[in-house]
Amino acid sequence: NAGVTQTPKFRVLKTGQSMTLLCAQDMNHEYMYWYRQDPGMGLRLIHYSVGEGTTAKGEVPDGYNVSRLKKQNFLLGLESAAPSQTSVYFCASSYSTVAGPDKNIQYFGAGTRLSVL
Amino acid sequence: GQNIDQPTEMTATEGAIVQINCTYQTSGFNGLFWYQQHAGEAPTFLSYNVLDGLEEKGRFSSFLSRSKGYSYLLLKELQMKDSASYLCAVRISGTYKYIFGTGTRLKVLA
Repeated sequence: NAGVTQTPKFRVLKTGQSMTLLCAQDMNHEYMYWYRQDPGMGLRLIHYSVGEGTTAKGEVPDGYNVSRLKKQNFLLGLESAAPSQTSVYFCASSYSTVAGPDKNIQYFGAGTRLSVL
Repeated sequence: GQNIDQPTEMTATEGAIVQINCTYQTSGFNGLFWYQQHAGEAPTFLSYNVLDGLEEKGRFSSFLSRSKGYSYLLLKELQMKDSASYLCAVRISGTYKYIFGTGTRLKVLA
């Protein structure tokens, strides 16, 4: 059981380049999330999805777009990368958050380390 | 606004007990989570509280007081492998969102 898989694991971009981060989960979870983690700032929510075909903005959505065309996949796009987007990106998934306490647990991928020069 | 406070760093000795505190001020509350994160790795779930009181899971326990906006994670019989960051997170009621604290980096010394 792979859980939550993120690709790629590392990437270096030049300012202005674009890229897509892929998150795939095999747990049939309804909810998926993209976070960024920066030193001293903790995990901050970028975008999230509560089901196939739906997305919503989190705390820090500017400069990012997302898509959830299939239930198991959640894509994060950077259209024009900036040095301020240098970070570690984590994807997470969970069952419906109304399904009971155990179903609220978020499962995280291993992360994508992105540097924008 | 939403705010979660945790100490930045703590140090403890192998075999000892350590308590990591978390205070929160959020617009709503529907559960508090503790995650462990080793350097360079993903956060992994440790414990969950939605009602006041103590939840025990082996060497780890977590306590919640909703009226005080306070939780703690208690780690007993510390082992070297417990050296990691511990993240406190609150699920905001009426939303699908979680707010994370900045994490407490725990160093366990031999």
